[in-house]
Amino acid sequence: ILNVEQSPQSLHVQEGDSTNFTCSFPSSNFYALHWYRWETAKSPEALFVMTLNGDEKKKGRISATLNTKEGYSYLYIKGSQPEDSATYLCASDSNSGYALNFGKGTSLLVTP
Amino acid sequence: ETGVTQTPRHLVMGMTNKKSLKCEQHLGHNAMYWYKQSAKKPLELMFVYNFKEQTENNSVPSRFSPECPNSSHLFLHLHTLQPEDSALYLCASSQTGGSNQPQHFGDGTRLSIL
Repeated sequence: ILNVEQSPQSLHVQEGDSTNFTCSFPSSNFYALHWYRWETAKSPEALFVMTLNGDEKKKGRISATLNTKEGYSYLYIKGSQPEDSATYLCASDSNSGYALNFGKGTSLLVTP
Repeated sequence: ETGVTQTPRHLVMGMTNKKSLKCEQHLGHNAMYWYKQSAKKPLELMFVYNFKEQTENNSVPSRFSPECPNSSHLFLHLHTLQPEDSALYLCASSQTGGSNQPQHFGDGTRLSIL
């Protein structure tokens, strides 16, 4: 994998559903993996930065895991709420130590 | 309040114009970044400044010229742009230039080239 790939491209869930997204990234020469939430008309907001294989991080109902050996990260949202509707961006540094490569994002819509 | 302020929010310019985008961060960070987001494409890193020194120029055409006079301010000078340069330009900052630091983004400048 040369680029950062995110799936699915978009997702529509009902309020209360739990959901997860996938980020795939180059596993060689790995430095860091970032997740951001980007709401419409706002700026991207950092959720997690992970650097260690097996790392798991949690922020409220949102959590993320990291597998650097196989090059993937999962983002989980438990009990989705309408305010979770946003585009979730994943970015990895698998080269330099300072430059991030972003995926195209997963667009999440949560309806009441 | 994001801590990273970009001006203007919207800019329309002709291909022969010269304009500048401004970014200011109030977070005490030492690294600043310019990103470009075109429609249906991921965020693309353009420039990185760490302690006012440029550490990355991601093969950006010379019609884009960055300037970082101090750790709090970052400019992107534009001249002789092309229609394909129409995009959202985002500025970000981080504590240091390492990728183990979260980046804090501004709201962006929406640029349209006529």
